[in-house]
Amino acid sequence: EVQLVESGGGVVQPGGSLRLSCETSGFSFGTYTISWVRQGPGKGPEWISLISSIGGTTYYADSVKGRFTMSRDNGKNSLSLQMNNLRTDDTALYYCARGHGDIYPNSRFFDYWGQGILVTVSS
Amino acid sequence: EIVMTQSPATLSVSPGERATLSCRASQSVSGDLAWYQQKPGQAPRLLIYGASTRATGIPARFSGSGSGTEFTLTISSLQSEDFAVYYCQQYDNWPLTFGGGTKVEIK
Repeated sequence: EVQLVESGGGVVQPGGSLRLSCETSGFSFGTYTISWVRQGPGKGPEWISLISSIGGTTYYADSVKGRFTMSRDNGKNSLSLQMNNLRTDDTALYYCARGHGDIYPNSRFFDYWGQGILVTVSS
Repeated sequence: EIVMTQSPATLSVSPGERATLSCRASQSVSGDLAWYQQKPGQAPRLLIYGASTRATGIPARFSGSGSGTEFTLTISSLQSEDFAVYYCQQYDNWPLTFGGGTKVEIK
């Protein structure tokens, strides 16, 4: 069974940092791209970052570029999202989501999602 | 950035009836369009990709059509478990973008 489990969320003040993790199992992790997708309260999903299967390439939404960094460890079947200089509009449920493959275009839509982890940015 | 616009925002449908949901892209995305279903407290679930290909395990009552800028998700005969919010997502260009969603509710 494919599983993705996020952790590391919580409450942080504006300007603070947080590191999210996503532990995976049930599939050949090193052959799939993974994305982070967030969803603010009452809003639709917002894609924020994607990392290629071997970690050599990353893409970011403009809203997080320069503040967030995505990385992966294929030996541990896990990935992380380092979030710096957090703002109140970063408050959301953060999901890690598996791309439907490793090659365009299948890598860019998502067939399995974690349960999400809540990040709240508030003073 | 490609803006995805979904309509209507809310669709009231009786069980057993057909539901037709629309998604419009601000510029052509070819056939690189996915649909997701989301129920309260759950992550989105992939229904359709490539505009018209059903994902694994998705019932045949769900169908997708369209290309370019206009797309449609049709649920042929609504079941109780289909009442949810539906999102479209384009993956033709960066950044990947989602629509604002259509809530399908019981009439």
